[in-house]
Amino acid sequence: GNSVTQMEGPVTLSEEAFLTINCTYTATGYPSLFWYVQYPGEGLQLLLKATKADDKGSNKGFEATYRKETTSFHLEKGSVQVSDSAVYFCALSDKAGTALIFGKGTTLSVSS
Amino acid sequence: DTGVSQDPRHKITKRGQNVTFRCDPISEHNRLYWYRQTLGQGPEFLTYFQNEAQLEKSRLLSDRFSAERPKGSFSTLEIQRTEQGDSAMYLCASSPNQLLREQYFGPGTRLTVT
Repeated sequence: GNSVTQMEGPVTLSEEAFLTINCTYTATGYPSLFWYVQYPGEGLQLLLKATKADDKGSNKGFEATYRKETTSFHLEKGSVQVSDSAVYFCALSDKAGTALIFGKGTTLSVSS
Repeated sequence: DTGVSQDPRHKITKRGQNVTFRCDPISEHNRLYWYRQTLGQGPEFLTYFQNEAQLEKSRLLSDRFSAERPKGSFSTLEIQRTEQGDSAMYLCASSPNQLLREQYFGPGTRLTVT
């Protein structure tokens, strides 16, 4: 069945460090891929998405490229801020209108 | 657009009691989803509606759970005879139409069963 695997956290970085959170997926067909972010005490917010192979999603300095050959969608940011501290979820949708399948989440903690 | 809203934000109940949660999706979003999230895990799908029709239910949705969306707008999720294992965050999400795959989430209802 379809699944998403994320690197385990927590990830602890200093401000302005480079961030990578790994995400790989298993899916039939041509899934869409997403990164969601959950700040403390809040719901999930859509961070970025990619709908086909080689697409790059980007938002707020975060980027992720849909790599079909490696079935990956790694999240990157060149310079993290304290305000980026949150839990990040990788997710896929294999068919329009159906449920999202999430990874377990990766906690990012950024210190000044 | 106002976002997805959920009520209540927190609910503490005793084992065996019934609880009901409400979700108001983004206006004119015809798809509505319920998920459950436990500590340290990603959200897990429970059920979804297109307008008032419930199109899919997960195996996680036991007979004690029921969801409705009577007029195709807000939805309710009821849990009967709550158990301690039902303690979780219940998330609602909506999507504008079946062509778009992204979903927009509410803040969630945190249920604690004592």
